[in-house]
Amino acid sequence: EVQLVESGGGSVQPGGSLRLSCAASGFSFSDYWMHWVRQTPGKGLMWVSRINSDGTTTSYADSVKGRFTISRDNAKNTLYLRMIRLRAEDTAVYFCVRMIRGVKPTLDWFDPWGQGTLVTVSA
Amino acid sequence: DIQMTQAPSSLSASVGDRVTIPCRASQYINNYLNWYQQKPGKAPKLLIYAASHLQSGVPSRFSGSGSGTDFTLTISSLQPEDFATYYCQQSYSPPRTFGGGTRVEIK
Repeated sequence: EVQLVESGGGSVQPGGSLRLSCAASGFSFSDYWMHWVRQTPGKGLMWVSRINSDGTTTSYADSVKGRFTISRDNAKNTLYLRMIRLRAEDTAVYFCVRMIRGVKPTLDWFDPWGQGTLVTVSA
Repeated sequence: DIQMTQAPSSLSASVGDRVTIPCRASQYINNYLNWYQQKPGKAPKLLIYAASHLQSGVPSRFSGSGSGTDFTLTISSLQPEDFATYYCQQSYSPPRTFGGGTRVEIK
């Protein structure tokens, strides 16, 4: 069974840092691009970051650029998101997702999603 | 960024109803449109990819249509387990963006 299990969420003060992890199983992790997507009650679902299959290229949403770092360890089948200088607006459930590629460039979709890990940034 | 609009944000329907959920992109996205279902406290689940392709294991009462800027998710006969929130998402141009969701509630 293909599975993604996030961990590392919690409560942190503004300006603090956290590292999220996502353990993958049931598929060849090193063959897939991976993403982080977050969800807040007010702003819905928002794409955060992505990394290619060998970890050599990354991309970030403008709102997290310079503060978040995505990485992966293919030997451990694990995806990471390092978050620093956290702000109240980063409060969300963070989902790890696998990207499935279609036959055309950028024709892709997210499947599956992990169960999510809650990050709360508050004084 | 491409804006994805889902209106209404909620709708009420009865078991057995045919339900259509619209999604509109702020610019042309060909068929690069996916649909997800989310139940309370759970992660989103892929239903439809590339506008009209049913994900393996998803009941055939779900279907997707559209191309360009206007898309529709249809549930042919609403079942009790279908009461959830449905999101559209585009992959045509980065960053990938999601609609605000349509919540399907029991009438």
